[in-house]
Amino acid sequence: AQSVAQPEDQVNVAEGNPLTVKCTYSVSGNPYLFWYVQYPNRGLQFLLKYITGDNLVKGSYGFEAEFNKSQTSFHLKKPSALVSDSALYFCAGKPSGTYKYIFGTGTRLKVLA
Amino acid sequence: GAVVSQHPSRVICKSGTSVKIECRSLDFQATTMFWYRQFPKQSLMLMATSNEGSKATYEQGVEKDKFLINHASLTLSTLTVTSAHPEDSSFYICSARDHTVIDNEQFFGPGTRLTVL
Repeated sequence: AQSVAQPEDQVNVAEGNPLTVKCTYSVSGNPYLFWYVQYPNRGLQFLLKYITGDNLVKGSYGFEAEFNKSQTSFHLKKPSALVSDSALYFCAGKPSGTYKYIFGTGTRLKVLA
Repeated sequence: GAVVSQHPSRVICKSGTSVKIECRSLDFQATTMFWYRQFPKQSLMLMATSNEGSKATYEQGVEKDKFLINHASLTLSTLTVTSAHPEDSSFYICSARDHTVIDNEQFFGPGTRLTVL
């Protein structure tokens, strides 16, 4: 079965420190991979996507993610966390030939002042 | 660009009534829209794929007679929860895809919180 895994329910990081939110995937073909952020009682905001090309993808609000095919990972990173980055982050994969997304379970990021 | 709206943002209804949720793509045309359900502190569960001008495709385990989906135009899809019960209380999110852009991502609406008393 195809899946996207986010192994951490919650990540705590001090403001100003680098942050990493982990994602691994088991998605067929050449998957498209995405990161979204969700604030309380809001929909999902697009952060970045990987389709092809450079393994390092830069996105909104200073976030970036690295596609690693051998490790089937697509971890989200930011060099310096802000308190306002505190939110729920979802990784999603889209198998080839379909428009459907497979979502991870989400990781709650808490940035402490 | 690529804004998706949902209406209403929250609704409270009595058990047994029906509730309609609208999803609109404001600045692009979407042949395909998706309806998700999100339980507290959980991920999004895809309920159905809504195709303009044709019947929706429901995911396994989703009752199509309970969750009626209509996609009558390229900018509007509606989800009607029929004979709602408290267990239908949830956060419903729609998304839309701009079919004119290859490899485009889904754009999500702000969600609708449904509470059934």
